[in-house]
Amino acid sequence: GAVVSQHPSRVICKSGTSVKIECRSLDFQATTMFWYRQFPKQSLMLMATSNEGSKATYEQGVEKDKFLINHASLTLSTLTVTSAHPEDSSFYICSARRGGSSSPLHFGNGTRLTVT
Amino acid sequence: GIQVEQSPPDLILQEGANSTLRCNFSDSVNNLQWFHQNPWGQLINLFYIPSGTKQNGRLSATTVATERYSLLYISSSQTTDSGVYFCAVAYSNYQLIWGAGTKLIIKP
Repeated sequence: GAVVSQHPSRVICKSGTSVKIECRSLDFQATTMFWYRQFPKQSLMLMATSNEGSKATYEQGVEKDKFLINHASLTLSTLTVTSAHPEDSSFYICSARRGGSSSPLHFGNGTRLTVT
Repeated sequence: GIQVEQSPPDLILQEGANSTLRCNFSDSVNNLQWFHQNPWGQLINLFYIPSGTKQNGRLSATTVATERYSLLYISSSQTTDSGVYFCAVAYSNYQLIWGAGTKLIIKP
């Protein structure tokens, strides 16, 4: 159990367009979902935390107007990269937590975004 | 905030060798996880181990919470074990704090 599906796995878009990435918990209800970004050869960087039905909490330095997060239900969170630029090219990973702070996180397989 | 340090940063081994990866953390935690990121970027949850010892096949992990470290053991390494191993911890605010990772290369 505890499967997280992330879609798409890879996307190429033109500069100025918007891209939506979906994160779904397939067999459990996720009280909290997290979005990470990973630059090449670096560790994961937390971008934002979202709870179902409330606004996402963004980490310092993350532009909330550029990275729109919607946590519409207990099984779905979306990250929309708006007006994408080449510097937004990165690996984006979502994770979901079933319970409280001591519960393990379960990760999607990530989305490789390339902005041309 | 809490600091997470992993060692070694890089490790190159021959197939069949054993290895030990270490994760030190600077404060009390209630969540510690080990992950393997394969060469395609996929994150695989290896262990949820805030304390104690767990084993899963050739992999095992031990966390000594009172001394603020965790160890990941890989025995009889295979080329498919290659990738980056991350340790991540969390405490009361539930945000995972990530180590920089150990890059493991297993040569055939």
